Formats: sequence, C-alpha cells, structure tokens
Amino acid sequence: KQEVTQIPAALSVPEGENLVLNCSFTDSAIYNLQWFRQDPGKGLTSLLLIQSSQREQTSGRLNASLDKSSGRSTLYIAASQPGDSATYLCAVGTGTASKLTFGTGTRLQVTL
Amino acid sequence: DTEVTQTPKHLVMGMTNKKSLKCEQHMGHRAMYWYKQKAKKPPELMFVYSYEKLSINESVPSRFSPECPNSSLLNLHLHALQPEDSALYLCASSLRPDSGAYNEQFFGPGTRLTVL
Repeated sequence: KQEVTQIPAALSVPEGENLVLNCSFTDSAIYNLQWFRQDPGKGLTSLLLIQSSQREQTSGRLNASLDKSSGRSTLYIAASQPGDSATYLCAVGTGTASKLTFGTGTRLQVTL
Repeated sequence: DTEVTQTPKHLVMGMTNKKSLKCEQHMGHRAMYWYKQKAKKPPELMFVYSYEKLSINESVPSRFSPECPNSSLLNLHLHALQPEDSALYLCASSLRPDSGAYNEQFFGPGTRLTVL
C-alpha cells in the first residue's frame, strides 16, 4: 500500500525567505506526482504536475523536483509572501485512472 | 469554462434524510472523482468514474451512492448517514482516465457536510 509522508508538518517563515517542502512515498511505481495548495475550508488548487519521466517542473516562484527511485519530491518556493500561507499537499498518482494518494500535508505560515 | 463546480456549498442533514451532492465540469474531462476529507486530514479517494462508468469503489459503505448521468455531471446520493460521515466532500476531474502520467486532476471547492 502506497504511503505518502510530508515533512515538516508545519512551518512558519518571515516574508521573503526561500523554503523547501518535502514529500516522500513508499512505492516508486507512480505515474505522476501533483502538488496542491489548500486554503482553510476550501478545495484544492493544483500547483504543479510532474510526470514520472520528468525530474522537475517550474511555475513562477514554484519549482518541484522528483526523484522517483528514492521516493522523494520537493517543492521549492522562492521569495515567500503572506499570500502563500496555506496547507500544501503532495499526491502520487498510481494505477488506472491515476488514483491519487495524498500526503499528510505541510501547513505554511508566512509572516510579515 | 475551466473549473469544477459543486453544489451545495454547505449541507446539514439528519441521519434519516436523503440528500444529493452535485458536481459539474465543462472542460470535456472524461474522468471524475469523489474524495472525502475529514478535518486536518488529507483527502481520501471514494469513487472514480472513467468514461461515465464506475471504475473504482474504495470499499465505500452503501449509504453513499454515486451516479454519473453524463460526461459533465457527477452526483453523490446520501442516505442514512452517520455523524462520523461529516466531512468536506471534494469532486475532481481529469482529461482522460487512461492518460497515465498526463492525468492532472482538478478539484472543486467542496461541499461541507454535517450529519446530525
């Protein structure tokens, strides 16, 4: 059974800092990995999709990397802003219909 | 139209009620999903519809009954729920269920369900 873990569980940083969120998974037989953002009580916003054959993907201030063989992904956020405060979830896609298994999430707070 | 919509936003129901959750997308996606998210926990997959056919049921109790009337619409019928079923119910869609690595899922805002 696929298990996905995210470290740290919570993180507080001052505005302007660069930061890294970590995601690890136990079964490397994945199709893809998605990073999502979730604001309190809201749905999920897709940030980045990395296909299993890719090593990294970039969107604006976000950069996600994938090392499938070691079962790890990182999300790098450059020049953090208070608006980045949210819970960040990674999810690995496996099997038919790319069933997503979610990580435990990292709650990020960016302070002024 | 590039979003997944869900109605209602909030729902309160008693254990003997029958209600339905609705999800729509007009992006031409052919896979649709229901997830359940308890407070401070990650979403958990409930059902997957591929090309309007149920392809995955994650051993969900029969008091939850999914329906996919057409490629744009997904319903979740609720009957005789328990208080522990209170959660945020999220709908998602993706372009093609068989696209493997390209299968990016897009989520709706969710329905907050409270069972009294």
